[in-house]
Amino acid sequence: AQSVTQLGSHVSVSEGALVLLRCNYSSSVPPYLFWYVQYPNQGLQLLLKYTTGATLVKGINGFEAEFKKSETSFHLTKPSAHMSDAAEYFCAVRSYGNNRLAFGKGNQVVVIP
Amino acid sequence: DADVTQTPRNRITKTGKRIMLECSQTKGHDRMYWYRQDPGLGLRLIYYSFDVKDINKGEISDGYSVSRQAQAKFSLSLESAIPNQTALYFCATSDTDEDEKLFFGSGTQLSVL
Repeated sequence: AQSVTQLGSHVSVSEGALVLLRCNYSSSVPPYLFWYVQYPNQGLQLLLKYTTGATLVKGINGFEAEFKKSETSFHLTKPSAHMSDAAEYFCAVRSYGNNRLAFGKGNQVVVIP
Repeated sequence: DADVTQTPRNRITKTGKRIMLECSQTKGHDRMYWYRQDPGLGLRLIYYSFDVKDINKGEISDGYSVSRQAQAKFSLSLESAIPNQTALYFCATSDTDEDEKLFFGSGTQLSVL
């Protein structure tokens, strides 16, 4: 079985401060891991992904995430929050050999001026 | 023009009514998906299709049916709508060679009274 856990449905961050969204996964086989972002009134779009290779993955808009197998984690970070980062962020996992993504419950990010 | 188009954008219906949500795509992808999004629950997969002759149930298919009329069209039906089917519904597509990257439509907000 595959699943992801995202704690804290709402995350508030000051403009210019570090954005840190935590994601822990459960997978019995090597996972593929993803972060998706959903801006207001839009569908989700892929932010970044880890499949194989380098464990630090860079995505769009200055976001990055690091795959840590020992911690079963794939936390998303951005050094300096911008007002345009206000959105909902979803972590997702797909186990090797499984053809479906499992999404976490999401983090609603609010950026405080 | 959007690559993945969902119609309608909003729909209000009554308990017991049959309703169809439509999705069309111009990306040329073989794989199409229907998800529903509920606050605090993330996205859950209803049905997916890897080609015109392939239909598969997702994690919450009860009360729903789908039809893949063509490579570009994938519709979702609620045979007899009930209030707990009130949700935001998303259609998504993916390419066979990179099927973990989903492209989402803008969603259909469905309210069942």
